[in-house]
Amino acid sequence: DTGVSQDPRHKITKRGQNVTFRCDPISEHNRLYWYRQTLGQGPEFLTYFQNEAQLEKSRLLSDRFSAERPKGSFSTLEIQRTEQGDSAMYLCASRPWDTQYFGPGTRLTVL
Amino acid sequence: AQSVTQLDSQVPVFEEAPVELRCNYSSSVSVYLFWYVQYPNQGLQLLLKYLSGSTLVKGINGFEAEFNKSQTSFHLRKPSVHISDTAEYFCAVSDTNTGTASKLTFGTGTRLQVTL
Repeated sequence: DTGVSQDPRHKITKRGQNVTFRCDPISEHNRLYWYRQTLGQGPEFLTYFQNEAQLEKSRLLSDRFSAERPKGSFSTLEIQRTEQGDSAMYLCASRPWDTQYFGPGTRLTVL
Repeated sequence: AQSVTQLDSQVPVFEEAPVELRCNYSSSVSVYLFWYVQYPNQGLQLLLKYLSGSTLVKGINGFEAEFNKSQTSFHLRKPSVHISDTAEYFCAVSDTNTGTASKLTFGTGTRLQVTL
């Protein structure tokens, strides 16, 4: 296993721009999660996929956020019209059964 | 819904001393319990987990934790810490129903600072 990978690792953008992050889960892990972590806090759940189906979304996921997992493998998280409050670490995790394994995260800074 | 409380935001300790990081949880359903460690600008690494069975679980890097159902606690311990253990530690819970998302609910973290 190569582990969960995320790209990019860092993203700096200006307010109002759109950004997209990618997550490649551990192969054959059919469950995939996105979390957001702000400074000094634990990660907070954003959304969950089982295969290609998005089965749960948090209230934190406003209509500016969209996530996809088109073929049940990699996933993308897009944020439209970024705001300074979107600055955070975005973490992806995948799970085969009972344990989630996390990627290194994408740190977003909105100027 | 579940919640996790990590009362200690920071724990300073000298190298080779023992340490305990406290975690209490609240849940109306059965839970799995986890400890993750996060080094600066990195993702979360699983230290150990309690799913069922023995209430004392051992993890990587010499850490262990004990599940206490009556006190709804899952404290993390290490008998002798090393400088390299300096990191942020997160306690987390998820429900045991594999038919649901079983998302993780995290505490706010405890910063373990090991000094010489």
